[in-house]
Amino acid sequence: AQKITQTQPGMFVQEKEAVTLDCTYDTSDPSYGLFWYKQPSSGEMIFLIYQGSYDQQNATEGRYSLNFQKARKSANLVISASQLGDSAMYFCAMREDSQGGKLIFGQGTELSVKP
Amino acid sequence: DTEVTQTPKHLVMGMTNKKSLKCEQHMGHRAMYWYKQKAKKPPELMFVYSYEKLSINESVPSRFSPECPNSSLLNLHLHALQPEDSALYLCASSQDGGYPNEKLFFGSGTQLSVL
Repeated sequence: AQKITQTQPGMFVQEKEAVTLDCTYDTSDPSYGLFWYKQPSSGEMIFLIYQGSYDQQNATEGRYSLNFQKARKSANLVISASQLGDSAMYFCAMREDSQGGKLIFGQGTELSVKP
Repeated sequence: DTEVTQTPKHLVMGMTNKKSLKCEQHMGHRAMYWYKQKAKKPPELMFVYSYEKLSINESVPSRFSPECPNSSLLNLHLHALQPEDSALYLCASSQDGGYPNEKLFFGSGTQLSVL
């Protein structure tokens, strides 16, 4: 069974608009961490934002915010004021306390920002 | 210095060759990772080293042999690879390897082609 599900293979957004990338996860572990990474065509995985399972508030990092709905097991990434440089693959990922060092990834969403 | 450096950036090898991929970090991290990524797919975990000991092997074929000579250096030795092993190989590091809130820092990868 998929532990991380990203249902949007590809998305388009107009420059300067906001966009939400969806992520749902499946775990029975009470302690886990959720991450979003950006992968441009150059290949490097760039860390964007982190949300812990016990965090009371939604994480924010500059133009990135995470809409964390624990009961729904969703951790959507919101990018505000999209820029052309935001065009990339975006991966949602999870680490479970019971799984030691494993960071597992969803299938990814390819975001294209239109001028 | 928040970099993970991977060499070489590109590698072409025949099925009978022996080659090695190298990964280096100087952030004082004690956990290092190898991931394999096919085009348009998420990274798949191969190996995790924590405090220079192999802690996770995701049932990777023995033609891939990891080595961690010290906490800053991680190698992946390749021997008798198959064309289907062609992929982007990503190295990553994190503080300790055992906690769900640890973010991974990734290198820009080695693009491997097996002929």
